[in-house]
Amino acid sequence: KNQVEQSPQSLIILEGKNCTLQCNYTVSPFSNLRWYKQDTGRGPVSLTIMTFSENTKSNGRYTATLDADTKQSSLHITASQLSDSASYICVVSRGNNDMRFGAGTRLTVKP
Amino acid sequence: DTGVSQDPRHKITKRGQNVTFRCDPISEHNRLYWYRQTLGQGPEFLTYFQNEAQLEKSRLLSDRFSAERPKGSFSTLEIQRTEQGDSAMYLCASSRTIDTMIDEQFFGPGTRLTVL
Repeated sequence: KNQVEQSPQSLIILEGKNCTLQCNYTVSPFSNLRWYKQDTGRGPVSLTIMTFSENTKSNGRYTATLDADTKQSSLHITASQLSDSASYICVVSRGNNDMRFGAGTRLTVKP
Repeated sequence: DTGVSQDPRHKITKRGQNVTFRCDPISEHNRLYWYRQTLGQGPEFLTYFQNEAQLEKSRLLSDRFSAERPKGSFSTLEIQRTEQGDSAMYLCASSRTIDTMIDEQFFGPGTRLTVL
């Protein structure tokens, strides 16, 4: 069973709208949580990294939240753009090299 | 461009053939990782190196797979006697261990393998 579950599996929104992607995890011990953006046919690119003590972190129009008590994280995208169309992958690290990847949410932004 | 590079970007081969992929990490990065990603899934860890030492291998890395990083710089991943189930994107990532809490990995563009 995958220790990192993401929802929804896919999402279609109109350009300019906001959206929120969810990540629930059971990974333990917990070191940090990352959100990656992966364009089709490309490698993942890091958006945010949060440690246990951080509740929220922003990167431009991307804002990630973390609730370490409930083991939930979300990625909020504001004022979506066509270039936001990609897969967004939640990754939970147990420590340096031990990272557990979610299956990703496929976001499509339509004009 | 000083990012992680991978070669080739695409490889089509027939079942039973051997293939080799190359990864060039960011120059000052001492750690190098290999992942496999199938369609609609997140990357799965295969193996990682710290400098030239291969420190961990996943159970996914069967005896047909071998990885090397002979001089602690670039790495190669070889798959022998390829099977159709090996068809996937093979991703390489690198990182620099200056902070033991956060080991930020930078990914390459991947090599897409298709086994016919």
